[in-house]
Amino acid sequence: GAVVSQHPSRVICKSGTSVKIECRSLDFQATTMFWYRQFPKQSLMLMATSNEGSKATYEQGVEKDKFLINHASLTLSTLTVTSAHPEDSSFYICSAAGLAGDEQFFGPGTRLTVL
Amino acid sequence: AQSVSQHNHHVILSEAASLELGCNYSYGGTVNLFWYVQYPGQHLQLLLKYFSGDPLVKGIKGFEAEFIKSKFSFNLRKPSVQWSDTAEYFCAVNAHSGNTPLVFGKGTRLSVIA
Repeated sequence: GAVVSQHPSRVICKSGTSVKIECRSLDFQATTMFWYRQFPKQSLMLMATSNEGSKATYEQGVEKDKFLINHASLTLSTLTVTSAHPEDSSFYICSAAGLAGDEQFFGPGTRLTVL
Repeated sequence: AQSVSQHNHHVILSEAASLELGCNYSYGGTVNLFWYVQYPGQHLQLLLKYFSGDPLVKGIKGFEAEFIKSKFSFNLRKPSVQWSDTAEYFCAVNAHSGNTPLVFGKGTRLSVIA
């Protein structure tokens, strides 16, 4: 099956710093990538939809200036958490949809801890 | 807007017991339906999916799910659970038109005891 990687898998940073998370589709081209956030013992909540070459669409309540998303190529999307605060600590998961668009493939997630 | 309800928050079963996890969705159009499993400390894995055709879908590890359109349901079943099935199970749905985000249910934690 299709493989999606995320880097880093785990990051700890100080409050006020920025963190970049990469999401790559390794063996297929992803026209659309999605970013989700999962708080402990909760479900995944969609943050934004990212289409290659265009601006991301953010869900209500998600600050686009805080969570910068770039989808510069068909195999890479990045999420940058700017000026991170402890409440941004969470598990961030990306998924990628191929050209057919009928199934999404999930990355392993990135656990962000902001001290 | 789409929504997914998983009514069972935590299910505890003995090994070899049968499993059924409920999932109901709300959406006005045609949908794709999914069940994902998340083992402790691991990422989401697709168990099975329904796009169209036979409403009884068979997935990996002996799981199956049945799409009942009239009930807006997509319940997950397994005839005999094993200790290794202990995990969090998520039902998800997206619009059939493709490249649309998934809406997840809150998840059901399954604990299988020996």
